[in-house]
Amino acid sequence: QVQLVESGGGVVQPGRSLRLSCAASGFSFSNYGMHWVRQAPGKGLEWVALISYDGSTKNYADSVKGRFTISRDNSKNTLYLQMNSLRAEDTAVYYCAKDSYSYGHGYFDYWGQGTLVTVSS
Amino acid sequence: QSVLTQPPSASGTPGQRVTISCSGSNSNIGSNTVNWYQQLPGTAPKLLIYSSNQRPSGVPDRFSGSKSGTSASLAISGLQSEDEADYYCAAWDDSLNGPVFGGGTKLTVL
Repeated sequence: QVQLVESGGGVVQPGRSLRLSCAASGFSFSNYGMHWVRQAPGKGLEWVALISYDGSTKNYADSVKGRFTISRDNSKNTLYLQMNSLRAEDTAVYYCAKDSYSYGHGYFDYWGQGTLVTVSS
Repeated sequence: QSVLTQPPSASGTPGQRVTISCSGSNSNIGSNTVNWYQQLPGTAPKLLIYSSNQRPSGVPDRFSGSKSGTSASLAISGLQSEDEADYYCAAWDDSLNGPVFGGGTKLTVL
């Protein structure tokens, strides 16, 4: 069965960096686009970034463009999100989600359990 | 401010039918299919409807989706207490070059 397990969340000061990881299993990771989606406390879902199956295409929400970098290591079946210059408004549960297609233009058919990032001094 | 517009809340009694609307524009719902996600309290979202009206295996046929023009809707018939959750619509946006979500609708079963 498909499993997505996020890690790397925690408490970080404003302006600092954090890297999230998402370990995938139960499907051919290298064939599918992947996303990061976040949810601030008590708020709705916000798409953050996507990466195509081979890493050749990366798109970002305007709110994180220039600060966050999505990447993947298909040899390790792992998705990453490097978050730099963190702000209080980045505080959220971060979910990784599998796309139904290779280039990430489909729907999110599987989600991880999420990892909480808290940006606070 | 979400790109797609949903009512913040909806409610119904057990056995009733409820619908949740999702309004967008030509760059998202008007030119792409709509997906719906269910988020039970304290859990991760789960795919409920994809490609506007398709149900993944395991999703009861009480749940159905439709799309017309720049709007979509989710219908839940035979409402059950376990349907109490937050529901989100989503669609690809050609202008933003990424998926966009509605603000979510909290469904209460009275």
